[in-house]
Amino acid sequence: DTAVSQTPKYLVTQMGNDKSIKCEQNLGHDTMYWYKQDSKKFLKIMFSYNNKELIINETVPNRFSPKSPDKAHLNLHINSLELGDSAVYFCASSQDGRSPLHFGNGTRLTVT
Amino acid sequence: QKEVEQDPGPLSVPEGAIVSLNCTYSNSAFQYFMWYRQYSRKGPELLMYTYSSGNKEDGRFTAQVDKSSKYISLFIRDSQPSDSATYLCAMSALIKAAGNKLTFGGGTRVLVKP
Repeated sequence: DTAVSQTPKYLVTQMGNDKSIKCEQNLGHDTMYWYKQDSKKFLKIMFSYNNKELIINETVPNRFSPKSPDKAHLNLHINSLELGDSAVYFCASSQDGRSPLHFGNGTRLTVT
Repeated sequence: QKEVEQDPGPLSVPEGAIVSLNCTYSNSAFQYFMWYRQYSRKGPELLMYTYSSGNKEDGRFTAQVDKSSKYISLFIRDSQPSDSATYLCAMSALIKAAGNKLTFGGGTRVLVKP
């Protein structure tokens, strides 16, 4: 009964490749997010979608493209992967802008 | 200077002790304050959620917010080895009603020794 689930859990790939991470939430929430956690454990927001509409788009290279086919799913596609993209990517959801976020268990991306 | 500062630790305490964690912040627009617990290789798990200043208690956990000092705290009573984790503070200002943009501290690693 995982509330926010991400796949894959681990992703190892070479520079220049394109990869996708998928996220699904079964909480009935309207808003979904992508956060990046770097090696120093800082979590930073990348994107936020509300009912399939892009709400927050932080300063993220345009190699990163989120896609929300419906309000329960938010995928992240990354083109031309770089070494600096290595990090843990977390998907999260919330009921609305005042509600706390619920996180998935992350996708650990390693670019070699 | 980061918007949210948190001592990275590690903070080591004996089992049964009170764990005291805190964060300071610089953005006076922050209104919503959260504490998350993160175990190794897992996602952050919400522990406490408070709005504006004041105290909130939930079981062994007490969260305090002092907006005048831009300072928030989390206390864990009767700490257990299972409380060993990284604790992250997070906060937000309601800018867009449809999206909650959280700003996180870097986390404090806590180790509770049996």
